[in-house]
Amino acid sequence: ETGVTQSPTHLIKTRGQQVTLRCSSQSGHNTVSWYQQALGQGPQFIFQYYREEENGRGNFPPRFSGLQFPNYSSELNVNALELDDSALYLCASSLRTGLHSPLHFGNGTRLTVT
Amino acid sequence: AQTVTQSQPEMSVQEAETVTLSCTYDTSENNYYLFWYKQPPSRQMILVIRQEAYKQQNATENRFSVNFQKAAKSFSLKISDSQLGDTAMYFCAFMKFNAGNMLTFGGGTRLMVKP
Repeated sequence: ETGVTQSPTHLIKTRGQQVTLRCSSQSGHNTVSWYQQALGQGPQFIFQYYREEENGRGNFPPRFSGLQFPNYSSELNVNALELDDSALYLCASSLRTGLHSPLHFGNGTRLTVT
Repeated sequence: AQTVTQSQPEMSVQEAETVTLSCTYDTSENNYYLFWYKQPPSRQMILVIRQEAYKQQNATENRFSVNFQKAAKSFSLKISDSQLGDTAMYFCAFMKFNAGNMLTFGGGTRLMVKP
């Protein structure tokens, strides 16, 4: 059973640029969530995807967008990067069954915006 | 909206001893889940223990147990027989029932286990 994998592990971008982060779900999982973890803080929920549609969103502006593909992998896109977007971005997958199933997290992508 | 507060930014404990991490939360929901996650330097969030609010019995997983006080909205984590590998950030998290994977995390407690 493969776990959740995220790429790249580290990324440096310039303010105003756009970035795409990628996540492969754990085998058999159909739901993907993205979290932003600023340095020294707890993660904050960005959004969740189920069956290729956004299925819940946190308090993040529209320049944060995502996709989920038929194989349940996912992308997080951030446009017009700001310095405050510097953070660890965590992807988590689970199997949506109507009851809560445990989240499996990846190791995250560290994004630095200069 | 829910809030989760961890009032201890840092804790330390001697190997083999017991330590308790505190967490309080605020919600108007009656049905929900509470979690403790561990985040070692590898950055991966690892589920330590889970509690369903409708269960009065406190959850236990090997050396980890919780003290869930629903009326007080308190959810502390006790680690017994602390091991060096327990050194990590610990996050308390809240999730509404039927809310998918939308977790609300606290700010975390850094735990250092000393030999």
